[in-house]
Order: sequence, then C-alpha cells, then structure tokens
Amino acid sequence: QITLKESGPTLVKPTQTLTLTCTFSGFSLSTSGVGVGWIRQPPGKALEWLALIYWDDDKRYSPSLKSRLTITKDTSKNQVVLTMTNMDPVDTATYYCAHRNTAMDSFDYWGQGTLVTVSS
Amino acid sequence: QSALTQPASVSGSPGQSITISCTGTSSDVGSYNLVSWYQQHPGKAPKLMIYEGSKRPSGVSNRFSGSKSGNTASLTISGLQAEDEADYYCCSYAGSSTLSYVVFGGGTKLTVL
Repeated sequence: QITLKESGPTLVKPTQTLTLTCTFSGFSLSTSGVGVGWIRQPPGKALEWLALIYWDDDKRYSPSLKSRLTITKDTSKNQVVLTMTNMDPVDTATYYCAHRNTAMDSFDYWGQGTLVTVSS
Repeated sequence: QSALTQPASVSGSPGQSITISCTGTSSDVGSYNLVSWYQQHPGKAPKLMIYEGSKRPSGVSNRFSGSKSGNTASLTISGLQAEDEADYYCCSYAGSSTLSYVVFGGGTKLTVL
C-alpha cells in the first residue's frame, strides 16, 4: 500500500525559504520508473505543478518557478525534500506530494497535503 | 508555460452525461497522448480518474471516459451521480525530452443538479 505524507512549517515569513518533506512508504525511489512530484493549490484556486524527481535522480521543474525550487531525494529514508526560496504571500497554498508512475504518466497516489501560509 | 484551459463550471442532472474539455497547445496536449484527469472533492486530495488520455485505473467507474482530438482532451462522465459533484482537473506532459514539464488545467467545478 502506497502512502505519502507532507511535513513542514505551517507558517513562514516573506523572503524566507520553505522546506517541505515528503515521507512515503509502499515503494522505493530506487525502483525504475518511479518518481515523486510536488503540486500546490492556493486556497480556492487550481492545482499547480512544481517539481518532479525520478528514480535516476532526473529532476524537472516548473519553468516559471525553476529559479526558486530545489528537489532532492533520500532513498534510504524514503523521503523527498522540496525547498522554495524567497517566499511571498502569493505562495500561500496547500502543498501536495504525489507518486509518479511513469508507466501511467500520472500522479496515482497523493499525500493529504499541508497548508503553508506566508505572512509576516 | 500556460495552464491548460478548462470551463470554469459544468452541470448536469442525475443520470445525464456531461463532458469537460481541456484545451492545450501543440507543445502539450497536442503532442502527447499523456493527459490525465483528477477528481477533487472539497478538502480532499485529488484522485486519479483517467491516465494516458483514455485509460482508467483499477477501481475507477467505467462511467468515466477520456478522449482527445488535436489539442483538446475531454473527460466524459455518463450516468451522473450525486457523488460525482467535485472539481476536475486535466493534466498533461509538456515540452520536449530535454526540457519536459507537467501542466495542469484551471479546473472545472461539476454540479449535479
């Protein structure tokens, strides 16, 4: 059974760096064809894809946010970490991590999400 | 990188069929048969309903179907039920092999009358 859970601060100040951790079980990020992605959703708004990391350490970023994002993985801990620099109130959102199945080219399992508020 | 275009809302009565469109470009929807659709109920995480344009994951009702024509993908829900009321998002692989990314649609709110 695949599960994912996001963790990190619920409140960050403008200009600070956000660090979110996705801890997962039921799969290994060293298995060919597996990836983990981050997606966010501002309150009342649409989903927005942020970043993706694959089993072979290939990394993909949203072109519009690329300069602010870094995604890494720790296979031994079953964790994926996303950092986003220079946080702004418009970055207030629920942040989700999700399992990427390259055989299906889709996000087939999602975490519950974590709400991050950016405010001074 | 622009979000895929979806209608803001659609509605239908129980038992009817509805279709939600998802319009992209030749750089995303038009170039790849890799559109997925997600259902999201209020306060919940999205759920995968369709992948690779028209395939259903195990456990998803066969009332949900997907298709694509040119730069537009579509999700059809037949035999509408009250529990289908939710937000629906399309998603596509985009870019090239060297600079690929993922893009979501703006979402469509489905109301079951």
